[in-house]
Amino acid sequence: GDSVTQMEGPVTLSEEAFLTINCTYTATGYPSLFWYVQYPGEGLQLLLKATKADDKGSNKGFEATYRKETTSFHLEKGSVQVSDSAVYFCALSTNYGQNFVFGPGTRLSVLP
Amino acid sequence: GAVVSQHPSWVICKSGTSVKIECRSLDFQATTMFWYRQFPKQSLMLMATSNEGSKATYEQGVEKDKFLINHASLTLSTLTVTSAHPEDSSFYICSATGGGRADTQYFGPGTRLTVL
Repeated sequence: GDSVTQMEGPVTLSEEAFLTINCTYTATGYPSLFWYVQYPGEGLQLLLKATKADDKGSNKGFEATYRKETTSFHLEKGSVQVSDSAVYFCALSTNYGQNFVFGPGTRLSVLP
Repeated sequence: GAVVSQHPSWVICKSGTSVKIECRSLDFQATTMFWYRQFPKQSLMLMATSNEGSKATYEQGVEKDKFLINHASLTLSTLTVTSAHPEDSSFYICSATGGGRADTQYFGPGTRLTVL
């Protein structure tokens, strides 16, 4: 079945450091790919998405590129802030959104 | 756009009582709604999927008689935890897809349930 694998956390960085959170997937067909962010005590917020190969999703300084050849969708940010501390979930969607698979989440802590 | 609300945001109840959680799509018609449960520092666990006007599809291991889901309209789904017990204490999150956003789930802010 479809699956999403993320790098294990927690990830701890200093403010202004470069961030990469790896995400790879297995899916039949052509999934849409997503990154969601969850701040403490809150629901998930859509951070960015990409629907086809080589698409780049970007938002709030974060970006990720849909790499079909490596089945990856790594999240990057050039300079993290303390306010970016949260849990980040990679996810895929197939079958017009009826099949949605989440990764286990990666907790990011950014220290001042 | 694509706003989903949940009510209440937190609830405390006594063991044996029932609790209803509402999930609403505020600015789009949600043909499909999902209910998740999340334990501390863990990922989301899908409980059930509901399509407007039809019975919910429950994931394996989720008791349908305990977690009653109703999706009576295109903007509202409810989850009722019946005869709640302390082990039902958790963070419950709903999400919705629909309209031109069929491939993307939009999440509510979650409901923290504590059963004493």
